[in-house]
Amino acid sequence: EVQLVESGGGLVQPGGSLRLSCAASGFTVSNNYMSWVRQAPGQGLDWVSVIYSGGSTFYADSVKGRFTISRDNSKNTVYLQMNSLGGEDTAVYYCARVLMTTVLGGYFDSWGQGTLVTVSS
Amino acid sequence: DFQMTQSPSSLSASVGDRVTITCRASPGISNFLAWYQQKPGKGPKLLIYGASTLQSGVPSRFSGSGSGTDFTLTISSLQPEDVATYYCLKYNSVPPGTFGQGTKVEIK
Repeated sequence: EVQLVESGGGLVQPGGSLRLSCAASGFTVSNNYMSWVRQAPGQGLDWVSVIYSGGSTFYADSVKGRFTISRDNSKNTVYLQMNSLGGEDTAVYYCARVLMTTVLGGYFDSWGQGTLVTVSS
Repeated sequence: DFQMTQSPSSLSASVGDRVTITCRASPGISNFLAWYQQKPGKGPKLLIYGASTLQSGVPSRFSGSGSGTDFTLTISSLQPEDVATYYCLKYNSVPPGTFGQGTKVEIK
């Protein structure tokens, strides 16, 4: 069974940093595209970042230069390093697997339960 | 610029009612559309992909249709456990990730 478990969220001051983890089971993260999607309180879903099976990474404009996605193949875990955090980054962060259907794209087929990041002084 | 418009933003219906949610994409996206259900405090759950293919384990009262620019999610007979917010996702790009604004479904 595919399972994704996020951790690492919490309260952080503006300008601070946090690293989120996404532990996967039931499949191998290095063979898949893995993504982070966030949801601000009472708002919709916003894609944040993706790491391809080949290691390429991409980011939403809102986090580019501040967030870094990575993975540890030995731990079957994906990470999101978040720096220079601001109030606009307050959200539940979800880890999701991307199921590629063609070279044109893929959808998120499995999601974790999310971890809450609150940026506040 | 790409636009993804989901409607309505919320709806209230009775148990057993037929419920329809719409997403409109501009420009068209062939059938690269998925639908998700999100219950309070939970991560989204995939319902439909390829605009009309039901994900394994999803009740058959859920169905999707459409291609190109106009897409529909239908719940044929609304059940109490269907109370949730529903999102569409267009995925004809790499990386993926343009969601509709969401539709909150409640029981009347």
